[in-house]
Amino acid sequence: GENVEQHPSTLSVQEGDSAVIKCTYSDSASNYFPWYKQELGKGPQLIIDIRSNVGEKKDQRIAVTLNKTAKHFSLHITETQPEDSAVYFCAASKSEDTGRRALTFGSGTRLQVQP
Amino acid sequence: DTAVSQTPKYLVTQMGNDKSIKCEQNLGHDTMYWYKQDSKKFLKIMFSYNNKELIINETVPNRFSPKSPDKAHLNLHINSLELGDSAVYFCASSRHAGTSGYTFGSGTRLTVV
Repeated sequence: GENVEQHPSTLSVQEGDSAVIKCTYSDSASNYFPWYKQELGKGPQLIIDIRSNVGEKKDQRIAVTLNKTAKHFSLHITETQPEDSAVYFCAASKSEDTGRRALTFGSGTRLQVQP
Repeated sequence: DTAVSQTPKYLVTQMGNDKSIKCEQNLGHDTMYWYKQDSKKFLKIMFSYNNKELIINETVPNRFSPKSPDKAHLNLHINSLELGDSAVYFCASSRHAGTSGYTFGSGTRLTVV
């Protein structure tokens, strides 16, 4: 089955700096890669996603890049703010007619933005 | 409000008891999921239903039994609770199985004492 590895497990940056979180996946058939933000005491919330027919996607201060050949994708947050502090999860899945069709999550990155 | 709502938010119970967690979504999604988040924050799929049909049943003890009376509801019943069942359980839904964004509920923190 799919295996998603995520690094780093913790990341501390100064306010205004950029943060990068990286993930690798094992199943070359995976074609959907979302990122989730989980704040304390809440459920994960989708912040951006990318499909395998696209190499990069941007939404204001966040961007995601995908390298299908290397089977890795990254989350980039620019001009970080204290409210960006949270746990971030990457995930991967594939569309198929039968069988497993659910997201496999990475192990999470705890991002701390220091004011 | 459109959302995925799960109840209860907190559940403290003794070993050996049976408990249920309920989940409802009003987003019109076809697929619903149960995920378990352990103390290290790792999210692991347990079950998935698509239009009331079970499509994923991961290797979880058969003390855990999901039930989907209709595509807007997915409940989780746990028999003979054990200490190791303590975790946060998240319900989620998506428009399509696997390849569209999930909307998560706010979680149920289960503590078995």
